[in-house]
Amino acid sequence: KQEVTQIPAALSVPEGENLVLNCSFTDSAIYNLQWFRQDPGKGLTSLLLIQSSQREQTSGRLNASLDKSSGRSTLYIAASQPGDSATYLCAVRDSGGGADGLTFGKGTHLIIQP
Amino acid sequence: DAGITQSPRHKVTETGTPVTLRCHQTENHRYMYWYRQDPGHGLRLIHYSYGVKDTDKGEVSDGYSVSRSKTEDFLLTLESATSSQTSVYFCAISVEGALAGANVLTFGAGSRLTVL
Repeated sequence: KQEVTQIPAALSVPEGENLVLNCSFTDSAIYNLQWFRQDPGKGLTSLLLIQSSQREQTSGRLNASLDKSSGRSTLYIAASQPGDSATYLCAVRDSGGGADGLTFGKGTHLIIQP
Repeated sequence: DAGITQSPRHKVTETGTPVTLRCHQTENHRYMYWYRQDPGHGLRLIHYSYGVKDTDKGEVSDGYSVSRSKTEDFLLTLESATSSQTSVYFCAISVEGALAGANVLTFGAGSRLTVL
């Protein structure tokens, strides 16, 4: 059974810093990996998706990397802003496309101090 | 915007009563999912559907049933609600990308259910 772990569980940094969120998964035979953002009391917003054949994806100040062989992904946030404060979730879809959805980590709660 | 609507957004009910949550999509996507989100557990899959009348169980399906009589609607039913089913429920759809492996899961805004 796939298990997804996110470290750290919580992180508080001053505005302007670059930061890295970590995600690890136990079964490397994944189909894709997706990073989400969740604001308090809200739904999930997809940030980046990395297909199993890719090594990284970029969107604005966000960069996500994937190392399937080691079962790891990182989300890099450059020049952090208070508006980046949210919970960030990593989720993997297992090999085969997965009609059975995603396996989620428990998230990293990020606070950017003004 | 994938056009996902969940209803009701908030509901308070009593133990033993039936509850149905509705997920409606406007874009004719094949795959639909129901998740619950709880502190300390994260998001867990309850049931999913891969077409009209085609559904299957997820990780935490006990106490829940689903139905999909139309492509656009996926219903989650708690036949007899219990306090352990107090949670936030999210519906999601799989939006297929142009390339294999590029299907993105897109979520609704959530339905907060409290069972007293």
